[in-house]
Amino acid sequence: QKEVEQDPGPLSVPEGAIVSLNCTYSNSAFQYFMWYRQYSRKGPELLMYTYSSGNKEDGRFTAQVDKSSKYISLFIRDSQPSDSATYLCAMSAVGGGSNYKLTFGKGTLLTVNP
Amino acid sequence: DAGVIQSPRHEVTEMGQEVTLRCKPISGHDYLFWYRQTMMRGLELLIYFNNNVPIDDSGMPEDRFSAKMPNASFSTLKIQPSEPRDSAVYFCASSYGQGNTIYFGEGSWLTVV
Repeated sequence: QKEVEQDPGPLSVPEGAIVSLNCTYSNSAFQYFMWYRQYSRKGPELLMYTYSSGNKEDGRFTAQVDKSSKYISLFIRDSQPSDSATYLCAMSAVGGGSNYKLTFGKGTLLTVNP
Repeated sequence: DAGVIQSPRHEVTEMGQEVTLRCKPISGHDYLFWYRQTMMRGLELLIYFNNNVPIDDSGMPEDRFSAKMPNASFSTLKIQPSEPRDSAVYFCASSYGQGNTIYFGEGSWLTVV
């Protein structure tokens, strides 16, 4: 079993839809959970960061972590065409923020259609 | 700030040739990372440096790969000899201190034919 599993999609939604992106993981030592956004032919950029279980909201984006189920989610409300990108989950067992021993999911390709 | 700068952006080379990828981290950052991204394996950490010193190279796939950081503003990732299975996007990234945001460059797209 891979340490981090993420459905690669692709996921195609109409503008204004609520998008749900998810990852599961197997390593119970993971404490720090991140979502990165990667536009086509660009490097990943940090979108959301959460420590341990719980929710975090930032504008249209909400990150949820359920450590008991080893399941993390990213919700995008009122999705926009500019949200079209690949979304990668990442997690680490030590340190905080975007730390060095990150394990990434393979990413979900999202397209928001106008 | 100009961000993390990588060169070349694209490289096509023949099997057996040496490939050198270059990276200039963000000024003042003390951590530098090399990642590789493929469809099959996703984004993988190859090696990272702290204050120019290699800390963990356990992700380097084999002896054909080597990385150096001669000073705080420059790093190289070298593949010698290159093989078709090395075809991937190689990202350099940097951060300041532990636990802070990692900033990625735009990647070097390598194709080995």
